[in-house]
Amino acid sequence: GQQVMQIPQYQHVQEGEDFTTYCNSSTTLSNIQWYKQRPGGHPVFLIQLVKSGEVKKQKRLTFQFGEAKKNSSLHITATQTTDVGTYFCARTGNQFYFGTGTSLTVIP
Amino acid sequence: EAGVTQSPTHLIKTRGQQATLRCSPISGHTSVYWYQQALGLGLQFLLWYDEGEERNRGNFPPRFSGRQFPNYSSELNVNALELEDSALYLCASSSGYQPQHFGDGTRLSIL
Repeated sequence: GQQVMQIPQYQHVQEGEDFTTYCNSSTTLSNIQWYKQRPGGHPVFLIQLVKSGEVKKQKRLTFQFGEAKKNSSLHITATQTTDVGTYFCARTGNQFYFGTGTSLTVIP
Repeated sequence: EAGVTQSPTHLIKTRGQQATLRCSPISGHTSVYWYQQALGLGLQFLLWYDEGEERNRGNFPPRFSGRQFPNYSSELNVNALELEDSALYLCASSSGYQPQHFGDGTRLSIL
């Protein structure tokens, strides 16, 4: 279908370690958006990727869009406790399909 | 700029009752989206309204319905409430396919 799958579902890391979440679609995506939801909060938009092979950086966060536009990844370098939350990818179109999310726990 | 506002914050109902949730989008945004987020789960797309019209709906039964008013605010109605309807209901607004801005949600509890 048009769902987007994310792996892993959960990730526990020691503070300072790196973290990566992957988003996969069976169909080609026109674009992909990434959101972060802090515990008890609402999703907040992080970034949108549009071009094949696109790479964007926000400080310690690196976002990639696959060459085939069927997958995307979010990599966090040297995690901090402020990175705790659930990271969702989302595909746009007639419906907004959010990925299943990856819940990140950072152990101080 | 005021963000997306949702009311009420919390709503407690019993099985079989009807619930109405409200959402006011960011000024200038014509699209409103509704999502259901059950505890510990992801966001399930419910409805999309744009310019007063329902553009699409997710895989939910017809007892989930809504509307968008001329001022672009929106209501989500859930009839014949069931226990599994207990969830956080999030509203988001956007302009076209631009990134969505979410409200803080309405926590609906069914007893």
